[in-house]
Amino acid sequence: GAGVSQSPRYKVAKRGQDVALRCDPISGHVSLFWYQQALGQGPEFLTYFQNEAQLDKSGLPSDRFFAERPEGSVSTLKIQRTQQEDSAVYLCASSFGQIVTISYEQYFGPGTRLTVT
Amino acid sequence: AQTVTQSQPEMSVQEAETVTLSCTYDTSESDYYLFWYKQPPSRQMILVIRQEAYKQQNATENRFSVNFQKAAKSFSLKISDSQLGDAAMYFCAYSLNTGTASKLTFGTGTRLQVTL
Repeated sequence: GAGVSQSPRYKVAKRGQDVALRCDPISGHVSLFWYQQALGQGPEFLTYFQNEAQLDKSGLPSDRFFAERPEGSVSTLKIQRTQQEDSAVYLCASSFGQIVTISYEQYFGPGTRLTVT
Repeated sequence: AQTVTQSQPEMSVQEAETVTLSCTYDTSESDYYLFWYKQPPSRQMILVIRQEAYKQQNATENRFSVNFQKAAKSFSLKISDSQLGDAAMYFCAYSLNTGTASKLTFGTGTRLQVTL
């Protein structure tokens, strides 16, 4: 595709509900990142995939957060039993991530705004 | 752990004028990248400019240039001939050079207003 896409763009969940956020990276990009951006803050790293392997999940705030990328393309970020503090914009970014790319630029999607009521 | 600090929550510039956004960072590493990202209200992060730490020459991209001071751990962004379309949140970011794609550490951002 032309860029990174994310769906849904907006999600309202009642506290305690489970949500699933989808990211479609740029075709051929092997690296995929998830970031959480609270209101008025900069994005914070959540987790990183290289192809289907989750190489770093150190930023996931609790065991309620789970991410997967089973075929090395589309990724889903799942949040179980949502809490009000989970309200944020969730950004996905992809990168070619191969050695030929010097700067490994990350291309961002438009984000999903999650509001937990 | 690496940290990125942007001490200017908001800046304002008149159209056609020049503005400088400040960024400092803290790292014990010597090989890394620094970036400035722009985030308009649509939320889509757009890369403005990047700097490799091993390069002494400051990066430039059209109206955008940086002042990279490695010893001082300072990385400011200068926008020349400001345009209305430059109005956005600007984030400074750092990533370690790991030989592959690496997570970004962002600052808290500077909101830039452009006035007529």
